[in-house]
Amino acid sequence: DIVMTQSPLSLPVTPGEPASISCRSSQSLLHSNGNNYLEWYLQKPGQSPQVLIYLVSNRASGVPDRFSGSGSGTDFTLKISRVEAEDVGVYYCMQSLQTPLTFGQGTRLEIK
Amino acid sequence: QVQLQASGPGLVKPSETLSLTCDVSGDSISGNYYWAWIRQTPVKGLEWIGSIVHDGRTYYSRSLKSRVTISVDTSMKQFSLKLSSVTAADTAVYSCARRGPTTGIGSWGPGILVTVSS
Repeated sequence: DIVMTQSPLSLPVTPGEPASISCRSSQSLLHSNGNNYLEWYLQKPGQSPQVLIYLVSNRASGVPDRFSGSGSGTDFTLKISRVEAEDVGVYYCMQSLQTPLTFGQGTRLEIK
Repeated sequence: QVQLQASGPGLVKPSETLSLTCDVSGDSISGNYYWAWIRQTPVKGLEWIGSIVHDGRTYYSRSLKSRVTISVDTSMKQFSLKLSSVTAADTAVYSCARRGPTTGIGSWGPGILVTVSS
C-alpha cells in the first residue's frame, strides 16, 4: 500500500496569514498518462470531508482560489494564501493512483 | 446534486456481520463513478474500505478483503457493504461516497457510527 505522510500535524495560523501543508507519498503518484493522482480534502468540524483539490492542482467546484496545490512524484503541498476563520478543520491528502486508496494522517488547522 | 444516505444497525455483536446500505438520490447510479465505503476512527483516521462500479466491478482494501463484500443494486439505486467477523477494531463511523474517475470524492453521505460490542 502507498503510505501518505503529512506535516505538520497541527497548524495554528493567524487569520490573513498564509498556511502550507506538506504531503509525501511512499511511491510516486505519477501515472503513465502524465497526471499525479493526489487529492486534498478538508473536514470541517462535525462534517464529512469535502474535496478541495484533485490531480494535484485542480480546484474542485466552489473552492476559493486562496487554496492551491502543487507538487509531483512523491512531494506535494497545499497552500492557503490567506487563512480565514472558515478554513478551520482537518486537512487530508489522499492518493488515488492505485487501490487501496490511502489517506494521510490529517493536519489540524486552528486559528490563533 | 447527488445525495447519499447510509443506513443500518448502529450496534453489531463481535463475530457477526456488519451490513450497511447506501441510498443514492439526485443522480443515476449507472454513471461513470466509483461508489465507495470509507470509515473513520480517531486512531486510524480515514480508511478506504472499497469501491464498486455500476457494472459490479469491485475494488477492496487489502487488509479487509477477506471480510468485505460490496454490492450494487442499480434498480433500487443502492449499494451495500457487508463486513464479516467483526471485532471491536471495526467500531468506526462509516460513510458512503461517490468518487469521479479523476475529480476526487465529490459527494459524501453523513457518517453512521457502528459500534461492535456484546
